[in-house]
Amino acid sequence: NAGVTQTPKFQVLKTGQSMTLQCAQDMNHNSMYWYRQDPGMGLRLIYYSASEGTTDKGEVPNGYNVSRLNKREFSLRLESAAPSQTSVYFCAGAGTNLYEQYFGPGTRLTVT
Amino acid sequence: EDKVVQSPLSLVVHEGDTVTLNCSYEVTNFRSLLWYKQEKKAPTFLFMLTSSGIEKKSGRLSSILDKKELSSILNITATQTGDSAIYLCAVDLQGGSEKLVFGKGTKLTVNP
Repeated sequence: NAGVTQTPKFQVLKTGQSMTLQCAQDMNHNSMYWYRQDPGMGLRLIYYSASEGTTDKGEVPNGYNVSRLNKREFSLRLESAAPSQTSVYFCAGAGTNLYEQYFGPGTRLTVT
Repeated sequence: EDKVVQSPLSLVVHEGDTVTLNCSYEVTNFRSLLWYKQEKKAPTFLFMLTSSGIEKKSGRLSSILDKKELSSILNITATQTGDSAIYLCAVDLQGGSEKLVFGKGTKLTVNP
């Protein structure tokens, strides 16, 4: 039972490049989330998916897109990376207690 | 705009001290308040509070919610170096979507 997994763990991109961050969970969560964490800013919600086939914007969605491919997987795409997107990205799933979120290990992304 | 404010932003104490971390919120449609501990990587869930005045306890950690004051405190007694972490407070909102609004966190450092 791996919980919530994310790939890659680290990534360096040049400005304008694109990439997809992958997230998968084996905890049968209905809801999944993407956050970014910057120093001194706490966690900010980018997008979330309350169930398979649905996605909604969070607090900071600009520059990102998401896909809820199936119940297990929720990916985050940066179409044209910018230095302002340098951050640590966390994926999370809602547990059996709907408001108790389980987090993946994070992806550290640097855009130069 | 929904807002969660934590104080202090950082705190340095000696082993054995007792600390109190604060979280206040201004949100529409409050449902519950959650505390997380974040060490080197992903946040891990500590407590969920929904009812005012009922203390949740886990070992040396305890937390209580005051709905009248729109706030919560997290107490850690007899601190240890392993308590060093960022403590995040988040508020869950009603309204059909399972979203959390996070504060910026309190960075606690416990020195031997």
